[in-house]
Amino acid sequence: QKEVEQNSGPLSVPEGAIASLNCTYSDRGSQSFFWYRQYSGKSPELIMSIYSNGDKEDGRFTAQLNKASQYVSLLIRDSQPSDSATYLCAVNPGGGADGLTFGKGTHLIIQP
Amino acid sequence: DAGVIQSPRHEVTEMGQEVTLRCKPISGHNSLFWYRQTMMRGLELLIYFNNNVPIDDSGMPEDRFSAKMPNASFSTLKIQPSEPRDSAVYFCAGQSRFGDTIYFGEGSWLTVV
Repeated sequence: QKEVEQNSGPLSVPEGAIASLNCTYSDRGSQSFFWYRQYSGKSPELIMSIYSNGDKEDGRFTAQLNKASQYVSLLIRDSQPSDSATYLCAVNPGGGADGLTFGKGTHLIIQP
Repeated sequence: DAGVIQSPRHEVTEMGQEVTLRCKPISGHNSLFWYRQTMMRGLELLIYFNNNVPIDDSGMPEDRFSAKMPNASFSTLKIQPSEPRDSAVYFCAGQSRFGDTIYFGEGSWLTVV
């Protein structure tokens, strides 16, 4: 059973601080990794993808991947109240068009 | 690009009734997925199609659930008979053969009373 694990939270972070979200996955052969953001009552939307070990930065977001530790993280710098949402970690185990396995998500609250 | 289109957006039905959820994927997306989301279980993959052919339906909870994709632009997920425990958000999502990112529709919010 391929699994993706996340702390459900809620994770409360003061406005302007760095929010750190973590995810572990069980399938060592997984090739690609994604972070989706889901606002309450809305569908998940892709915010970051990462394929290689190390860091990938996009604006205020940084994704980090460590395949040896089977660990993915998302850092949000200068957190804003609009970042309050559930963040879903997703893994493409086979690297092809077979869909993604999702974690249950971490509920992030940015306190003004 | 209109995105993945789902209907109905919201449905309230009585236990025992048939429910049909519909999805129009993004043109050119070869893979189509039906996910179910609940607070308890998160996002669960129910079934997916590749080039209109069902590939993996191991996530379909039981025989009351069925899905079809008669052509590249339309898919349905049917629940017959519906039960209160089927209440959830059902998402349709698509994936291009050129990339492994998937894109979600707005979801169909189902309540069975």
